[in-house]
Amino acid sequence: GAVVSQHPSRVICKSGTSVKIECRSLDFQATTMFWYRQFPKQSLMLMATSNEGSKATYEQGVEKDKFLINHASLTLSTLTVTSAHPEDSSFYICSATPGQFSNQPQHFGDGTRLSIL
Amino acid sequence: GDSVTQMEGPVTLSEEAFLTINCTYTATGYPSLFWYVQYPGEGLQLLLKATKADDKGSNKGFEATYRKETTSFHLEKGSVQVSDSAVYFCALSAGYSTLTFGKGTMLLVSP
Repeated sequence: GAVVSQHPSRVICKSGTSVKIECRSLDFQATTMFWYRQFPKQSLMLMATSNEGSKATYEQGVEKDKFLINHASLTLSTLTVTSAHPEDSSFYICSATPGQFSNQPQHFGDGTRLSIL
Repeated sequence: GDSVTQMEGPVTLSEEAFLTINCTYTATGYPSLFWYVQYPGEGLQLLLKATKADDKGSNKGFEATYRKETTSFHLEKGSVQVSDSAVYFCALSAGYSTLTFGKGTMLLVSP
């Protein structure tokens, strides 16, 4: 089945550090990738939608300058949390889909646990 | 706007019990419906899907039927195992591939 690889799986770093998370689709070309944030015992909150070769579309309330998204190729999207602070600590999950239509499921990475000290 | 409502958990069952997790939705048009499962510390895995009314999605003993008349997509399994313990998310996608998730239902299965 479709595989999405997310790296790193866990990051612990000091406040003020910038952290980059990679999301790769391993066996298909991902026209669209999504970035989610999940708080403990809660559902996924969509942060942004990333289309290859164009600017990401951010959801309301998500700071574009804080969460930089780059979708440079059909198999790679990156999320950079700039100048991270403790309130940015969370579980970040990416997903990818080969198409733009509603009947094509998203395939998720295993997530990145970000802990800011 | 689109929304998904799931029964609140946790759902606690003994091994081999019958499972139902209710899911209803509100959407314009004809959405595709999905169930995803999340094991502790992991991302989401697609469990099953249905793309039109009366479709039945099935996988690993789990089933869900797309009921347009009741706007529901309830997840069922005849005999749960301890390894089924996880959080289950109902989701819909309408128009484009953006997903709208329910809040998730935790399932705890004891031996």
